[in-house]
Amino acid sequence: AIRMTQSPSSLSASTGDRVTITCRASQGISSYLAWYQQKPGKAPKLLIYAASTLQSGVPSRFSGSGSGTDFTLTISCLQSEDFATYYCQQYYSYPLLITFGQGTRLEIK
Amino acid sequence: QVQLQESGPGLVKPSETLSLTCAVSGYSISSGYYWGWIRQPPGKGLEWIGSIYHSGSTYYNPSLKSRVTISVDTSKNQFSLKLSSVTAADTAVYYCARGGVVAATYDDYWGQGTLVTVSS
Repeated sequence: AIRMTQSPSSLSASTGDRVTITCRASQGISSYLAWYQQKPGKAPKLLIYAASTLQSGVPSRFSGSGSGTDFTLTISCLQSEDFATYYCQQYYSYPLLITFGQGTRLEIK
Repeated sequence: QVQLQESGPGLVKPSETLSLTCAVSGYSISSGYYWGWIRQPPGKGLEWIGSIYHSGSTYYNPSLKSRVTISVDTSKNQFSLKLSSVTAADTAVYYCARGGVVAATYDDYWGQGTLVTVSS
């Protein structure tokens, strides 16, 4: 199975900060990567797919980059509603086994 | 607007079968897309369980494959999950979600999730 490793596991930041979360795949996955935001007690929300394509309705302060094994999610100017847990997901592997990173918890400093 | 809603027992006894249904509104399952299940143990990360196409073609997580069955009922516009021989390790919030037009894809619409506890 392709293992997805996120760093850091947790992060403290302030409103207005620029933050970057990294996701590394144990083998190359081209651009078959998505990012989700999850708030407590809620379902994950799709932010980005195909590594860098912003899902409709998602604010432009969110951006994604990378291909192969190394990917990043950047939030350019943190807003209060962005404090949540973020997960990366690969959907490359065949036989099909979709896997997620362990999550990055973004907290208010 | 596509909406998904999970339903089923919130408490299941060890060794029994967990059964959940996901009702879809705002989109006809027969029109396409893969539909899947994902779970999240309390305080932990996300695990993909499997997905199904409206034709009935399925894909399962190999770690759960021997215990999982996902089925679809296009007449009711819903799909279902059965997980047999459950243990406490299967306690989780179970989400249903819409995938893409191919099996290997991300999920753009999710249900709110339902907590299933395995306990005697």
